[in-house]
Amino acid sequence: QQQVKQSPQSLIVQKGGISIINCAYENTAFDYFPWYQQFPGKGPALLIAIRPDVSEKKEGRFTISFNKSAKQFSLHIMDSQPGDSATYFCAASRPDKLIFGTGTRLQVFP
Amino acid sequence: DAGVTQSPTHLIKTRGQQVTLRCSPKSGHDTVSWYQQALGQGPQFIFQYYEEEERQRGNFPDRFSGHQYPNYSSELNVNALLLGDSALYLCASSLGWGETQYFGPGTRLLVL
Repeated sequence: QQQVKQSPQSLIVQKGGISIINCAYENTAFDYFPWYQQFPGKGPALLIAIRPDVSEKKEGRFTISFNKSAKQFSLHIMDSQPGDSATYFCAASRPDKLIFGTGTRLQVFP
Repeated sequence: DAGVTQSPTHLIKTRGQQVTLRCSPKSGHDTVSWYQQALGQGPQFIFQYYEEEERQRGNFPDRFSGHQYPNYSSELNVNALLLGDSALYLCASSLGWGETQYFGPGTRLLVL
């Protein structure tokens, strides 16, 4: 009930390509879905977030797509850059705590 | 505008010892949450403090305890350290019941 499943575990993308990371959740009580970016040795940084009453949200090169009926959401990184190389975590939230996915290590090669 | 700060950045302890980690929330935030991140894993929720009380707790033993001060800063205490407690400990702050949590850089704890 509390799990958030994330895939793939790792992703290699050419510069300029599209990176896609997928997540699925079980608990319909979740009402806020953020994505975090984490560089080695650093804390997670909030990237973009969405609520279940919206099917898509775009901020710059980052887009979240949300499918409420399937209980799935995904992060699309357009025009991926080497500086995007990091670990990405999806999460699902009730107001009091975040449940994180297992993370996706993204490597963008020039 | 100061973000979330944590101290110390790194810590080495031996099994059985006790450790205290500290966190100052982002300016204007009054809620502090603590997470444990094992190597290669996502952060796991430990507990959350609001108005100096523990509001919610994850699946962690009583060896993990915390405190929040009137200025909203917080401490995480771990007693009787085990090797498995080695991890990055993250503090996150938010405002009230807000879902948007901002993380600090973490404290890397190594238990030998």
